[in-house]
Amino acid sequence: GAVVSQHPSWVICKSGTSVKIECRSLDFQATTMFWYRQFPKQSLMLMATSNEGSKATYEQGVEKDKFLINHASLTLSTLTVTSAHPEDSSFYICSAEGGHQPQHFGDGTRLSIL
Amino acid sequence: DAKTTQPNSMESNEEEPVHLPCNHSTISGTDYIHWYRQLPSQGPEYVIHGLTSNVNNRMASLAIAEDRKSSTLILHRATLRDAAVYYCIRTPNAGGTSYGKLTFGQGTILTVHP
Repeated sequence: GAVVSQHPSWVICKSGTSVKIECRSLDFQATTMFWYRQFPKQSLMLMATSNEGSKATYEQGVEKDKFLINHASLTLSTLTVTSAHPEDSSFYICSAEGGHQPQHFGDGTRLSIL
Repeated sequence: DAKTTQPNSMESNEEEPVHLPCNHSTISGTDYIHWYRQLPSQGPEYVIHGLTSNVNNRMASLAIAEDRKSSTLILHRATLRDAAVYYCIRTPNAGGTSYGKLTFGQGTILTVHP
């Protein structure tokens, strides 16, 4: 089945640091990638949708200057949390779809800001 | 808003079949029905999806009502590893090869007893 790899699995860093999370589709070309955030005991919330070679489309209430998304190739998208603060601590999950296949998800990145 | 309704929780015994219901009474003719499941601290896992006809794969079966206002995910023999949160999601037809955004509700927490 389709495989989406997300890296790193977890990050602990100091407040004010910028953190980059990578999402790769390993065995298919991902024309669209999605970034979600999940707080404890809550469901996934879509943050943004990115199409290869285009600017990402952000959901209402998500700061595009804080959560920088790059989707430069058909197999890689990155999410950079800039100047992260404790309230940005969360579980970040990416997904990818392509070729009329359903979305497949990465295993998530646990981000803890001290 | 692509809304579905699921029970908050269900329980099953190991090796018994499980029927997880989902109501999507406002579904339109081109909306797909997707099922994902999520284990703790992992990204969602694709289970199955369908449009009108019942669907089977190695993981589960999807039974879609004739009027498409409801569907049932069937796990034929539950195992302890099937314990997860199950999400039933409608995807408005985004056109082209994309199923579009996934809007996650609270899902159904499935508990499997040994």
